[in-house]
Amino acid sequence: GAGVSQSPSNKVTEKGKDVELRCDPISGHTALYWYRQSLGQGLEFLIYFQGNSAPDKSGLPSDRFSAERTGGSVSTLTIQRTQQEDSAVYLCASSLTPDNEQFFGPGTRLTVL
Amino acid sequence: RKEVEQDPGPFNVPEGATVAFNCTYSNSASQSFFWYRQDCRKEPKLLMSVYSSGNEDGRFTAQLNRASQYISLLIRDSKLSDSATYLCVVKTGANNLFFGTGTRLTVIP
Repeated sequence: GAGVSQSPSNKVTEKGKDVELRCDPISGHTALYWYRQSLGQGLEFLIYFQGNSAPDKSGLPSDRFSAERTGGSVSTLTIQRTQQEDSAVYLCASSLTPDNEQFFGPGTRLTVL
Repeated sequence: RKEVEQDPGPFNVPEGATVAFNCTYSNSASQSFFWYRQDCRKEPKLLMSVYSSGNEDGRFTAQLNRASQYISLLIRDSKLSDSATYLCVVKTGANNLFFGTGTRLTVIP
C-alpha cells in the first residue's frame, strides 16, 4: 500500500520567503509527526498531531513555524520569513495510533539561500 | 546534555564481523526504546524495538540497561547490505521520540 508521501522533494528558496511543505500520511493513521534533520544532527521533533489537533507543539523552533492538519489527513508545515538556519530535511511520519510504529516519508530537502 | 547520545563512528568492518553500537539516554523516565536504520538520503525505518529482557531478530540483538540508561545493538555476521546509519531512539512522554545523531556503519568486502 501507499506509504507516507511528502512534497516537494526538494525546495530551494531565498532568505525571507515563506515556504509550505506537505505531508500525506498513510490512510487511517491518526497520529502525524513532523521532524527536521540538519546535517550532522539527529532528528529534531517539531510537532505532533492527533487527528486535527496538535497537543504537542513543543518542538517548533520559533513563531515563524506553524503547522496544520485538515480532515485528519494531510498536514502542511509552513515556515515564514525563512532563514539560512532553516535549511534541513523535513521529515513527516505517521502512525496508526501514538503507541504504534511511526512510518516516515521520504522528506523534503529545504535549502535557504 | 542531549537526550540521546551515540558514538557517530564511522565503524568500518569487514564482512562477517561482529559489531556493537552503544547509546545512552538522559531521561530516566523514558519508556520505550528503538533502533532505526537510515540509508543515505533515505528516511529512517524501524529496525527493532528494544525490550528490557533483551531481544534478538536474526543477526541483530538489542539490549537495554535501565539502571545505566544504556542501549546496545549487536550485529553478527555483518553483510554489505548492513551498511547504513543506525539511530538510537528513545520515547519519553506520550508522543516524543528523541533520536540520536546516529552511528554510521560501513561493511567492507
